[in-house]
Amino acid sequence: KQEVTQIPAALSVPEGENLVLNCSFTDSAIYNLQWFRQDPGKGLTSLLLIQSSQREQTSGRLNASLDKSSGRSTLYIAASQPGDSATYLCAVNNNDMRFGAGTRLTVKP
Amino acid sequence: SQTIHQWPATLVQPVGSPLSLECTVEGTSNPNLYWYRQAAGRGLQLLFYSVGIGQISSEVPQNLSASRPQDRQFILSSKKLLLSDSGFYLCAWSKGLVSSNIQYFGAGTRLSVL
Repeated sequence: KQEVTQIPAALSVPEGENLVLNCSFTDSAIYNLQWFRQDPGKGLTSLLLIQSSQREQTSGRLNASLDKSSGRSTLYIAASQPGDSATYLCAVNNNDMRFGAGTRLTVKP
Repeated sequence: SQTIHQWPATLVQPVGSPLSLECTVEGTSNPNLYWYRQAAGRGLQLLFYSVGIGQISSEVPQNLSASRPQDRQFILSSKKLLLSDSGFYLCAWSKGLVSSNIQYFGAGTRLSVL
C-alpha cells in the first residue's frame, strides 16, 4: 500500500526566502506525482504535475522535482511571498491517488 | 472551459440524519469523477470514483454511498450520519484514467456532524 509522507508539517519563513517542501512515497511504481495548494477551508488547486518519465517541472517561481527510484519529490518555491501562505499537498498516482498530510506554509511579510 | 461545482459549502447535521452532497461538472463530457474526504489534521482519502453513469467504485468501507445519475453529476449520500463522518469533502474530475491525467477539484463541503 502506497504511503505518502510530507515533511515538515509546518513551515514559517520570512518573505523573500527560497524554500523546499519535501514529499516521500513508499512505492516507486507511480504514473505521476502532483503538487497542490489548498487555502484554508477551500478546495485544491493543482500546481504542477510530473509524469513518471520526467525529472522536474517548472511554473513561474515553482519547481518540482521527482526522483522515482528513491521515492522523493521536492517543491521549490523561489522568492516566497505572503500570498504563498497555504497548505501544500503532494499526491502520487499508481492506479489511485494517495495524498500526503500536507505542509502548512506561512510566509511572513 | 470546464468548471466543477459543489454544494453546499458548509453543512451542520445531527447524528443519525441523512446526507446528500452534490457535485456537477460543466464544459466536458464523460469525466471521471471522485469523492475525497479530508479529516481534521489528516490527508485526503479517496472514497469513491466513477468512470461512467451508474458505475461506482468504493475505496474504503464506510457509512457513505455514492451515485452518478447523470454523466456530469456525482452525489455523496448517507442514510444515517455518524460523528466520524465530519470532515471536508472534495469532489474532483479528470479526463481519462487517474493514472495519466490531472484531477481538478471543487471548492469542497465542510460537514460537521453534531
